[in-house]
Amino acid sequence: SAVISQKPSRDICQRGTSLTIQCQVDSQVTMMFWYRQQPGQSLTLIATANQGSEATYESGFVIDKFPISRPNLTFSTLTVSNMSPEDSSIYLCSVGDRAYGYTFGSGTRLTVV
Amino acid sequence: AQSVTQLGSHVSVSEGALVLLRCNYSSSVPPYLFWYVQYPNQGLQLLLKYTSAATLVKGINGFEAEFKKSETSFHLTKPSAHMSDAAEYFCAVSDQGAQKLVFGQGTRLTINP
Repeated sequence: SAVISQKPSRDICQRGTSLTIQCQVDSQVTMMFWYRQQPGQSLTLIATANQGSEATYESGFVIDKFPISRPNLTFSTLTVSNMSPEDSSIYLCSVGDRAYGYTFGSGTRLTVV
Repeated sequence: AQSVTQLGSHVSVSEGALVLLRCNYSSSVPPYLFWYVQYPNQGLQLLLKYTSAATLVKGINGFEAEFKKSETSFHLTKPSAHMSDAAEYFCAVSDQGAQKLVFGQGTRLTINP
């Protein structure tokens, strides 16, 4: 299965600023997924990122708040924009498919103060 | 849309006892089902997956799960709990059509010495 390197592992940010999270995969993949895990909660899909096209956002998530880039088949970034304390969460990227399973990055633990 | 329900947000068992974590899904077609484990401050690790082959699926760390279509269930079991099994466990289903996961609420497993 693919190996994902996710950076940063954690960060503390001031409200109103932005943070960009990076995910690097050791093999070429078609789709990359970005999830949010709020404190004590389950994972919620933010968006699906395909190389060469706009990301597809889930209900409740918008591109202005969570812009995503997918410049090639091994890399993607998620930016959390104009942060507020409510954005404090763990953000995870994932690759894979339902036949083979999905691999997750180690996550980015974001605290907004 | 498909969904999963995990019965019991917190399960506590004694070391050496049977572990049973419950998961029920809603789907009108055979789903792809997954169990993931999340240790504190870590990402998600795939325990096992059901992809319409054998109904009894064996995973890592001695865990297994049985797909029961009549009960729309995919419960996770382990015959003898170890202290190292203490973690959060998530059941997930692959959404029909799109290659993405929908997660249950999670079950926190505590092992008592």
